[in-house]
Amino acid sequence: QKEVEQNSGPLSVPEGAIASLNCTYSDRGSQSFFWYRQYSGKSPELIMFIYSNGDKEDGRFTAQLNKASQYVSLLIRDSQPSDSATYLCAVNYGQNFVFGPGTRLSVLP
Amino acid sequence: DGGITQSPKYLFRKEGQNVTLSCEQNLNHDAMYWYRQDPGQGLRLIYYSQIVNDFQKGDIAEGYSVSREKKESFPLTVTSAQKNPTAFYLCASNEDGDYGYTFGSGTRLTVV
Repeated sequence: QKEVEQNSGPLSVPEGAIASLNCTYSDRGSQSFFWYRQYSGKSPELIMFIYSNGDKEDGRFTAQLNKASQYVSLLIRDSQPSDSATYLCAVNYGQNFVFGPGTRLSVLP
Repeated sequence: DGGITQSPKYLFRKEGQNVTLSCEQNLNHDAMYWYRQDPGQGLRLIYYSQIVNDFQKGDIAEGYSVSREKKESFPLTVTSAQKNPTAFYLCASNEDGDYGYTFGSGTRLTVV
């Protein structure tokens, strides 16, 4: 069974804080991991991807991957109200991706 | 600019009616996908195509059909056999399995 799990939230953080979003997956053979941001009523947009164990930083975003624990996370530093959205984790299973249900993040001014 | 165009943005279907959702891309991507999203849920794969004139069922293909006659186009038909079609439909494409998707803007389908 291909599964990707996320805490549905909502996760509320104050402006300027670090938001931590977590994702676990079931297939040890998965190689590619993606984070998408989806604003209400809009389509998802890709914000980060990671293939190797460790951290990958891009601006205020850091993706962390631990394949042994089957765990991937997204950190958002200096959170802004514009970061308020649903964050979807996607994991590849062969040629396709399985998406988690998403975590709704609310950044409070 | 390259991208994916979905139309219409909103679609209303009567009971027993077939409707077709359009998806066109100019990214020269081989692979195209259709997903369905219900409120508060993740994306579920309906159909995908990795090459022209070939497509495979995803996890929830029942009540849907697709065609891939051109590389740029991957229309989805929601048939009357789909009993609960009200959802947000997303078309996506990518170069291959190692790259993330580019999504269209979506079609919101409602049964009236």
